[in-house]
Amino acid sequence: EIVMTQSPATLSVSPGERATLSCRASQSVSSNLAWYQQKPGQAPRLLIYGASTRATGIPARFSGGGSGTEFSLTISSLQSEDFAVYYCQQYNNWPGTFGQGTKVEMK
Amino acid sequence: EVQLVESGGGLVQPGGSLRLSCAASGFSFSNYWMHWVRQAPGKGLVWVSRINSDGISSTYADSVKGRFTISRDNAKNTLYLQMNSLRAEDTAVYHCARETERSGSYFDYWGQGTLVTVSS
Repeated sequence: EIVMTQSPATLSVSPGERATLSCRASQSVSSNLAWYQQKPGQAPRLLIYGASTRATGIPARFSGGGSGTEFSLTISSLQSEDFAVYYCQQYNNWPGTFGQGTKVEMK
Repeated sequence: EVQLVESGGGLVQPGGSLRLSCAASGFSFSNYWMHWVRQAPGKGLVWVSRINSDGISSTYADSVKGRFTISRDNAKNTLYLQMNSLRAEDTAVYHCARETERSGSYFDYWGQGTLVTVSS
């Protein structure tokens, strides 16, 4: 089973600032990587798939990058609605596995 | 609008059983593979089970194999998870999720989840 490791666990950012989240896979997952956003009490929301393709309706301030074992999610200018927990998920190998999450909180 | 609404969670004693339901609307349910993903309190997401579009093929995480059964009723647009021999470590919010129709087992829609608490 592929282990996904996200860093940092918590990221403190001011509104309008840039946030960069990292996700590392224990072995190559090619570009088969998705990112999700989850707010308290809500369903996770798909942000990015294929490592860099934004899902339908996702604002352009969200961008994903990387391939192989190293991935990133960048939020170019944080809005109030972006404070949430973000999870990466590899779907290159079965079963798909998630990282433990990065909480983006207001500084 | 795609909607997935889970129900059936609650408090159950260790060794007990529970059946979760996920009512789907806003899309052609019978065309999609569906999954259950759980989230223990304060923890991350863990895949539990999946079922193919016609309900013939299913797969389980090792941690629930032999205890949980996934099924679906395409006429009722509903996904189920029968959970038997429940353990304390099964305590979690259980989300149903729709697998994308694109290539790859990731999830384009999720439900809010239903909380299962296993405790005496």
